Amino acid sequence: QVQLQESGPGLVKPSQTLSLTCTVSGGSISSPSYYWTWIRQHPGKDLEWIGYIYNSGNTYYNPSLRSRVTISADTSKNQFSLKLSSVTAADTAVYYCAREPRGRDSLGYYNNWYFDLWGRGTLVTVSS
Amino acid sequence: QSALTQPASVSGSPGQSITISCTGTSTDIGNYNFVSWYQQHPGKVPKLMIFEVSNRPSGVSNRFSGSKSGNTASLTISGLQAEDEADYYCSSYAGSSSHVVFGGGTKLTVL
Repeated sequence: QVQLQESGPGLVKPSQTLSLTCTVSGGSISSPSYYWTWIRQHPGKDLEWIGYIYNSGNTYYNPSLRSRVTISADTSKNQFSLKLSSVTAADTAVYYCAREPRGRDSLGYYNNWYFDLWGRGTLVTVSS
Repeated sequence: QSALTQPASVSGSPGQSITISCTGTSTDIGNYNFVSWYQQHPGKVPKLMIFEVSNRPSGVSNRFSGSKSGNTASLTISGLQAEDEADYYCSSYAGSSSHVVFGGGTKLTVL
């Protein structure tokens, strides 16, 4: 049974970089069958898609966050990570790692744009 | 402000059916069949209930069903049970300008 678990600091100072890691157990992040994703939920409960990584190195980001986001993977540890730079109070949220199944047809792989497995989430507060 | 519009709350009695709407535009719900619904109990993780407008993942009760008409998607829960009380979020693909967008969530109360 595949499980996802987020880890990282719960408090980040304004203007600094938020760094989180998602450890995947019971499955491999090298699998071509999934996009490994970050989603956050703001205190008002709004959900926001951040981006994903697949094939251990290809990434795709939310255009509104693209200038500040980096998602990377460490296949030796079966982990993928999120870095969000120049944070402000607006980046305070519960951060989830999640899995999106990749579809496949005769033309190749494609997005299905739904998330079938989520980590438990980790609250990150941006405050001095 | 969320890209997709959901009612803040809905309620129903046990055994009844309720429908939660999710209104978008011709650039998201109206243009793609990538609508999904998530259930979130307080303090818990979102759980996928419906994907691709009307498909249920394995293990999700057939009391949950999804549909779409134009720019509006709907989640219907029949035979309401106390355990259905939760927040429900819709989501849709919105093209390369936004990718995935979510609704603001609907709180379902089982009376």
